[in-house]
Amino acid sequence: QKEVEQNSGPLSVPEGAIASLNCTYSDRVSQSFFWYRQYSGKSPELIMSIYSNGDKEDGRFTAQLNKASQYVSLLIRDSQPSDSATYLCAGPPRGTGFQKLVFGTGTRLLVSP
Amino acid sequence: KAGVTQTPRYLIKTRGQQVTLSCSPISGHRSVSWYQQTPGQGLQFLFEYFSETQRNKGNFPGRFSGRQFSNSRSEMNVSTLELGDSALYLCASSPDAGGSNQPQHFGDGTRLSIL
Repeated sequence: QKEVEQNSGPLSVPEGAIASLNCTYSDRVSQSFFWYRQYSGKSPELIMSIYSNGDKEDGRFTAQLNKASQYVSLLIRDSQPSDSATYLCAGPPRGTGFQKLVFGTGTRLLVSP
Repeated sequence: KAGVTQTPRYLIKTRGQQVTLSCSPISGHRSVSWYQQTPGQGLQFLFEYFSETQRNKGNFPGRFSGRQFSNSRSEMNVSTLELGDSALYLCASSPDAGGSNQPQHFGDGTRLSIL
């Protein structure tokens, strides 16, 4: 099993809908996670971090961490065409700090007007 | 506050050459990590420097090396370039280490093309 796995997509949602992006992880990854957004041709931009079980909300974004199921998700409410990008889930391997991250392959999100 | 600055933005080299990429972290950030991003392999960790010392290392050959200066600026070097080294090289910085909850922030990257 890969350390961090994501469905590559694309995930297509209409404008105004909720986009749900998912990520699973193996036992080799510490249970702290980061969601990065990457527009085509650009570098990753940090949008959410989550360190404990449950939900964390920031504006239109909600990150959810379920340690028992080894599952982390990102919900984007009221999706906008400007949200169209690749979303990367990342976590540090066990025994390392946050300076070494393992990334999923990313899920491409397409929001249609 | 200025973000992470990487230079150059674009670079074209030929096989067998070597290249040096530069990264200036966010002011006050002491940890600098380097990643390689390719369409096939995604984002992969190269190494991390803190206080001028390499603290973490990924699974890349010895042709990939780096260093950090006393002002936290970092450079990475790739020797004997191969076609497969064509990639976006990203630098990320964070304030400190020790597992503190401080996420990394990325620079714009250097796009390296090998001919």
